[in-house]
Amino acid sequence: SQTIHQWPATLVQPVGSPLSLECTVEGTSNPNLYWYRQAAGRGLQLLFYSVGIGQISSEVPQNLSASRPQDRQFILSSKKLLLSDSGFYLCAWTVGSGDYEQYFGPGTRLTVT
Amino acid sequence: GQQVMQIPQYQHVQEGEDFTTYCNSSTTLSNIQWYKQRPGGHPVFLIQLVKSGEVKKQKRLTFQFGEAKKNSSLHITATQTTDVGTYFCAGNTGFQKLVFGTGTRLLVSP
Repeated sequence: SQTIHQWPATLVQPVGSPLSLECTVEGTSNPNLYWYRQAAGRGLQLLFYSVGIGQISSEVPQNLSASRPQDRQFILSSKKLLLSDSGFYLCAWTVGSGDYEQYFGPGTRLTVT
Repeated sequence: GQQVMQIPQYQHVQEGEDFTTYCNSSTTLSNIQWYKQRPGGHPVFLIQLVKSGEVKKQKRLTFQFGEAKKNSSLHITATQTTDVGTYFCAGNTGFQKLVFGTGTRLLVSP
């Protein structure tokens, strides 16, 4: 069966510090991968998605970046965090066509202080 | 850009009452999906609707996809405390990504 991992579960970082969040998927190959951000009590904002290794599509211009160095690994990064980067970061995957349901990881709660 | 709005934003019901959330897209969708997010948790897939006018049921939950494939609804009959959470619709336009609705937060009092 497929599983998706995210770490860390919670993170408190000062403004201006770097960020690296990692997401890995097990039990499937060539998945579509997604990064979402959810502000407290709000909906899901799509940040990046990837249909293959090294292929990244950015949805929202911001100080975040994403990379997919391996087929089942998706990384979200920032060189300098802003207060507005606080939120719940969710990684999700789906089978290659993208028309199927998305499976979400447990998420990372980021607080920028 | 494409927008998917849901109403109401929040609803508080007594256990046993019915609940409905409505989802409206600014563009035609190839399919629509529904997710539930429990407090503190991550979204979990509930169902996908593909055909115009489609109706699907899961126990006390009834999902509908509009004839024009631009709107959808989720109806829960006789709510239970286990139904608490935020319900999101998500529209698929066929471009490898979903556009999530704004969500409806449901609170059920015993």
